[in-house]
Amino acid sequence: GAGVSQTPSNKVTEKGKYVELRCDPISGHTALYWYRQSLGQGPEFLIYFQGTGAADDSGLPNDRFFAVRPEGSVSTLKIQRTERGDSAVYLCASTTAPGETQYFGPGTRLLVL
Amino acid sequence: GNSVTQMEGPVTLSEEAFLTINCTYTATGYPSLFWYVQYPGEGLQLLLKATKADDKGSNKGFEATYRKETTSFHLEKGSVQVSDSAVYFCALDLSNFGNEKLTFGTGTRLTIIP
Repeated sequence: GAGVSQTPSNKVTEKGKYVELRCDPISGHTALYWYRQSLGQGPEFLIYFQGTGAADDSGLPNDRFFAVRPEGSVSTLKIQRTERGDSAVYLCASTTAPGETQYFGPGTRLLVL
Repeated sequence: GNSVTQMEGPVTLSEEAFLTINCTYTATGYPSLFWYVQYPGEGLQLLLKATKADDKGSNKGFEATYRKETTSFHLEKGSVQVSDSAVYFCALDLSNFGNEKLTFGTGTRLTIIP
């Protein structure tokens, strides 16, 4: 079956611009996670959804970052006024229930010039 | 806070060599422990996991044992292959304590030469 998909696979933008990153979880998975992976580092947690609501957004670095999941399936991570330090690979994962194995998408590589 | 410390890479081994990648953790509570693998050009995949002390996770010839007394979860394989070349991440979660997010180590890049 289809795995987690993320679009775009690569995004280049200029400092100060707004970007949206999309995640399509595995069908039927109720829990969805966003992580950020900087070069040479492990993924760092950003936000976790259970259904439509953000159950834990403690990893969002500041108020420029926001994520939604309006229908409990697709999620969009939104970054306002991008900065060069936002450059990273943004990973999405989904799971059937909290605490179960997380299945990761291929990531979106964001480069802010 | 919760953290994972793993062996720094890169690690280069010859085919059929024995592999150990060290991983230790700090956690408030009793975490579940994981090894994830990222093959070149691919996404993160779960390699193995253990959910309680003394459990052994195993998959594809890799093994790791949850050692509560030493807070460790070292990854081992008896005879590595070229196809094992990848980046390996140790991780934990505290889903039994209402904290489902994964906390990862920095990753260890493994290269196997024929």
